[in-house]
Amino acid sequence: GNSVTQMEGPVTLSEEAFLTINCTYTATGYPSLFWYVQYPGEGLQLLLKATKADDKGSNKGFEATYRKETTSFHLEKGSVQVSDSAVYFCALSAYNQGGKLIFGQGTELSVKP
Amino acid sequence: EPEVTQTPSHQVTQMGQEVILRCVPISNHLYFYWYRQILGQKVEFLVSFYNNEISEKSEIFDDQFSVERPDGSNFTLKIRSTKLEDSAMYFCASSVGQGSQPQHFGDGTRLSIL
Repeated sequence: GNSVTQMEGPVTLSEEAFLTINCTYTATGYPSLFWYVQYPGEGLQLLLKATKADDKGSNKGFEATYRKETTSFHLEKGSVQVSDSAVYFCALSAYNQGGKLIFGQGTELSVKP
Repeated sequence: EPEVTQTPSHQVTQMGQEVILRCVPISNHLYFYWYRQILGQKVEFLVSFYNNEISEKSEIFDDQFSVERPDGSNFTLKIRSTKLEDSAMYFCASSVGQGSQPQHFGDGTRLSIL
């Protein structure tokens, strides 16, 4: 079946450090891929998306590239801020699956000043 | 910016009681979803709803669960006889379309079963 695997957290970084959160997926066909972010006490917010191979999604300094050959969608940011502290979820939506999102387990990021 | 709203933010219920979680999706959205997140675990899909009927449901969504869109704005999740293991954060989401269209989530309802 379809699944998403994320790197284990928590991840702790100093401000201005480089961030990578790994995400790999298993799916038939060509799923759409998403990163969602959850700040404390809030719901899930869409961070970025990519809908086909080699697409790069970007938003707020975050980027992720849809790599079909490695079935990956790693999240990166060149210089993190304290305000980026949150839980990050990788997710996929597979074709003909009723639109449901399949989530990874989430990666908690803590950025220290 | 329009948003999905959920009420209540926290619901405490005795085991065996019925509970209704409420959601107001974004007004021009056509697809509606419920997800849940048990503390420390993944966000899990429960059910999707389109054109006044369930389009897909997970194995979690058994006969104890039901969904309804009673009017043009609300979307509800009912749990008929709650169990301890139903304690979780429940998220409502809506989208314009499926697949590549992103889903917009509410802030969730924390359900605590005693």
